[in-house]
Amino acid sequence: SQTIHQWPATLVQPVGSPLSLECTVEGTSNPNLYWYRQAAGRGLQLLFYSVGIGQISSEVPQNLSASRPQDRQFILSSKKLLLSDSGFYLCAWSVNSRSYGYTFGSGTRLTVV
Amino acid sequence: SQQGEEDPQALSIQEGENATMNCSYKTSINNLQWYRQNSGRGLVHLILIRSNEREKHSGRLRVTLDTSKKSSSLLITASRAADTASYFCATYLNAGNNRKLIWGLGTSLAVNP
Repeated sequence: SQTIHQWPATLVQPVGSPLSLECTVEGTSNPNLYWYRQAAGRGLQLLFYSVGIGQISSEVPQNLSASRPQDRQFILSSKKLLLSDSGFYLCAWSVNSRSYGYTFGSGTRLTVV
Repeated sequence: SQQGEEDPQALSIQEGENATMNCSYKTSINNLQWYRQNSGRGLVHLILIRSNEREKHSGRLRVTLDTSKKSSSLLITASRAADTASYFCATYLNAGNNRKLIWGLGTSLAVNP
């Protein structure tokens, strides 16, 4: 069956420290992968999406970057975190958005202090 | 910019009542999707309705789509306390190779026992 793993669930990091959040998908091949951020009580902001290995599209200029080193692995990174990077980060995958919805990971609550 | 806009922003009802949430969008779509998010968790896909469909059912959920008015509604019948969550609509556009959803800001539903 298809599953998505996202970790860690919570993270507290000091300003200026690096960040690496990982997301892996099982049970499917060549998925479209997405990183979203959600501020408290708000909707989803698309940060990055990828349609294949090494292919990354950035939606919002920011302090973050993404990489897709393997077909089912999507990594969100930062070299130096800012306070404004705090939020709830969600990874998602889809195969065919014309017919199927997205499957989301359980999210990572990042607090930058 | 947000494509979908849900209303109301917040809804509080008693268990057993029906809950109706609405979503409006601006441009031509391929499909519209509804998701649920429990507090602090990832989103769960509920229903996808295509632009050539007018109504769709899944258990206690009923979704309608009116492309002439560019609007959709989600009806939850006989609500339960477990339905307490935020509900988001998202649209998949008819634009070329676009592979991303456009999200609304969500409706927060509270079902009181």
